[in-house]
Amino acid sequence: AQSVTQLGSHVSVSEGALVLLRCNYSSSVPPYLFWYVQYPNQGLQLLLKYTSAATLVKGINGFEAEFKKSETSFHLTKPSAHMSDAAEYFCAVSDGGATNKLIFGTGTLLAVQP
Amino acid sequence: GAVVSQHPSRVICKSGTSVKIECRSLDFQATTMFWYRQFPKQSLMLMATSNEGSKATYEQGVEKDKFLINHASLTLSTLTVTSAHPEDSSFYICSSVAGKADTQYFGPGTRLTVL
Repeated sequence: AQSVTQLGSHVSVSEGALVLLRCNYSSSVPPYLFWYVQYPNQGLQLLLKYTSAATLVKGINGFEAEFKKSETSFHLTKPSAHMSDAAEYFCAVSDGGATNKLIFGTGTLLAVQP
Repeated sequence: GAVVSQHPSRVICKSGTSVKIECRSLDFQATTMFWYRQFPKQSLMLMATSNEGSKATYEQGVEKDKFLINHASLTLSTLTVTSAHPEDSSFYICSSVAGKADTQYFGPGTRLTVL
């Protein structure tokens, strides 16, 4: 079975500060890992994904995430927060294509203070 | 990224009526579509997996007779909430996948309010 844990349901940073959103996963098969962003009353937009290639994955809007197998983590980072980054962020894991099903974490609401 | 649309974006209906939500992949053929439900300030819960031309596979606890899914073509899947009740009020989101191990692309969601 697969699962995702996102530590911190709310994270607040100042504009220009480092963004770090934590995600730990559990998977019995080599995982595919994803970060999605959701703005209010909208669907999800893919930020980046890990599919067993490079462990450091770069995504859109300056975000990146590093797959660390030893720590079963896939934390999302951005060096400098922008006001437009304020949104809900979801980490998700899938079985790599067997079913294509995504298991989502509970989400982290990022607030960016001016 | 790929474009997935949903219609309507928002619907309000009376208790006991049925509501149909459409999900379309606009620029690719979707072999599989997924339907999710999201309660306020919560994560997405997978309701069912829909493959073109075959019956949908429902997750445990999801009533298949309550939430009818039809995937009639490679670009269209519909979710019908039958005999809707206030507890069915939620944000429903679909996603589409072009092939195995591919990325899911999400629609903008449909806000259902049952009075």
